[in-house]
Amino acid sequence: KAGVTQTPRYLIKTRGQQVTLSCSPISGHRSVSWYQQTPGQGLQFLFEYFSETQRNKGNFPGRFSGRQFSNSRSEMNVSTLELGDSALYLCASQQGGDSGGKLFFGSGTQLSVL
Amino acid sequence: QKEVEQDPGPLSVPEGAIVSLNCTYSNSAFQYFMWYRQYSRKGPELLMYTYSSGNKEDGRFTAQVDKSSKYISLFIRDSQPSDSATYLCAMSAAGGKLIFGQGTELSVKP
Repeated sequence: KAGVTQTPRYLIKTRGQQVTLSCSPISGHRSVSWYQQTPGQGLQFLFEYFSETQRNKGNFPGRFSGRQFSNSRSEMNVSTLELGDSALYLCASQQGGDSGGKLFFGSGTQLSVL
Repeated sequence: QKEVEQDPGPLSVPEGAIVSLNCTYSNSAFQYFMWYRQYSRKGPELLMYTYSSGNKEDGRFTAQVDKSSKYISLFIRDSQPSDSATYLCAMSAAGGKLIFGQGTELSVKP
């Protein structure tokens, strides 16, 4: 079974631009979560989607948004990029319902904002 | 104060040593407890999973949860250089989001 796939692996953008990251979950998994990982803050929860609906949301500004499609694939968008948005963005999937947090992660997209 | 506290290390041990990694938490609603391992430039991978209190053993790894003390531990026996990675504790309440510790960077020297 293929794992969680994230594209692209690396991305370089400049301040003020916007970016879209993509995530394909494990086949059969209906929940997709997004996390931001930085050396200073660790892994911080952005949001979770289940069956195309946002189920949970973290404490990030409205510049961070996401969506999920009917095939469970998900995208995350960051508008008006700031230097502080440089981070590893991780997507994770789980089967759905209350899977008790058994998340399966992709390798992430490393975003650098110059 | 963070919901989950974990000493970031780094921790360096000789090959064959017993490693002890710990996290404390403040939310008494947490009932799912996990340890993830993350190698450089990779996403975290689930290593151990425990529901509620108790111990769980898997090969060289043992996870312990003490809900009365709000304290979880991961023990690695006979540590190997291939165990060198960052170890993240994580926990959640039923239906809630998964909250991660800061991660402890472990280095096992041959």
